[in-house]
Formats: sequence, C-alpha cells, structure tokens
Amino acid sequence: DAGVIQSPRHEVTEMGQEVTLRCKPISGHDYLFWYRQTMMRGLELLIYFNNNVPIDDSGMPEDRFSAKMPNASFSTLKIQPSEPRDSAVYFCASSGGPIINEQFFGPGTRLTVL
Amino acid sequence: RKEVEQDPGPFNVPEGATVAFNCTYSNSASQSFFWYRQDCRKEPKLLMSVYSSGNEDGRFTAQLNRASQYISLLIRDSKLSDSATYLCVVNMRTGGFKTIFGAGTRLFVKA
Repeated sequence: DAGVIQSPRHEVTEMGQEVTLRCKPISGHDYLFWYRQTMMRGLELLIYFNNNVPIDDSGMPEDRFSAKMPNASFSTLKIQPSEPRDSAVYFCASSGGPIINEQFFGPGTRLTVL
Repeated sequence: RKEVEQDPGPFNVPEGATVAFNCTYSNSASQSFFWYRQDCRKEPKLLMSVYSSGNEDGRFTAQLNRASQYISLLIRDSKLSDSATYLCVVNMRTGGFKTIFGAGTRLFVKA
C-alpha cells in the first residue's frame, strides 16, 4: 500500500514567492495533519483536518499560511508570500483517529526560501 | 515550561548497552502516548505506543507513570541501527484535540 505522498520533495524559492505544498493521505484515513520541523523549534503541528474540515489551525504561524483539503485524498499548504524564516521541513501525516491511533508521516518537503 | 520535555542528549553508548530515555509532560489531561523514531533527514515513524501497564516489543520497553507525568523508553542490547532521534508524543483533549511532540533525544550507538 502506498503511504502518505508529498510533493515536491525539495523546493527552493525566493523571498516573496508563493509556495504550494501537496499531500495525499493514506486511503481511508480521516485525519490529516500538517507539521513543520526546524532545528530551533522541533516538530510543530500547524493544522489538522477531520473529514476534510479544518478543526484546529492555531498552530499556523500567520496569515501568510493557508491550508485546504478539497477532498479526502488531497490537501495543500500554501505560503504567500514566503520569507526566509519559513525555511523548514514540512511534513504531512494521516491517521485513522486522533487520539489513540498512529500517525503516518509522509517523506516531507524540504523548503528553502532565499 | 514546555508541555513535553525530553533530554536532547546526545546519548553515546557502545553496542550491547542498555539505555533509557525519559519524557515529562505537564498537562494531566493527556490521554495517549507514543514513542516515535526519526532517522536523519527522514520522517518520524512510530516505534511503540505507551500504555499504563507498560509494554514491551523485543528489546524495547515503554512505561507510563501518570502520577509523576512521565513516560520512559528502555532499549536493551543496543544495536548500531538504533542510532536515531527518539521523539515522545503526547495527545490530549483540551476542548479540541492537541498533539505535541517532544524535541527528541539523540542516540548514537557505537561499535
């Protein structure tokens, strides 16, 4: 079975550009999570969806970040405009349940904003 | 105080050694607990869930102490392949749902 799929795997962009990260969760999972990982702050939950509905976006750093989940098999995380401090690895994860279930992570997108 | 705290290490141990990590959490509403493993430049992967009764999986043993609000991971007979960062994860219901990852403990196992 395919795991969580993320694209692109690497993204290098210039400050001010729009960046869109993509995620395909594991089929049948009804929870989807977006995380950001940096050396300074570790792994931070940005937002999570349940049945395609955003439930908690309190981790989204600012209005430049937005996330959507138009259907059960696709989600995007958009940064507009991007800034150098957004450079990080962004992980998408999916789960069959929020509390007691394992979260399966995608391989991540390594974003560098110059 | 951070909601989930781990000793960042690094722990440098020889092959065959026993090593233990602790993780403390501050919110007593925490409901489920996990240990994840993350290799360099890879995604986190579940190592094991942590139950109140304790659980064991081969060389790995996890314990939960709700009274003292900490979880532990014990690795026996460590292998070179155990070298990684170990992340503790705490899930809690606080109105909604919240998942918090610890910063991780780095382990190096040397020949």
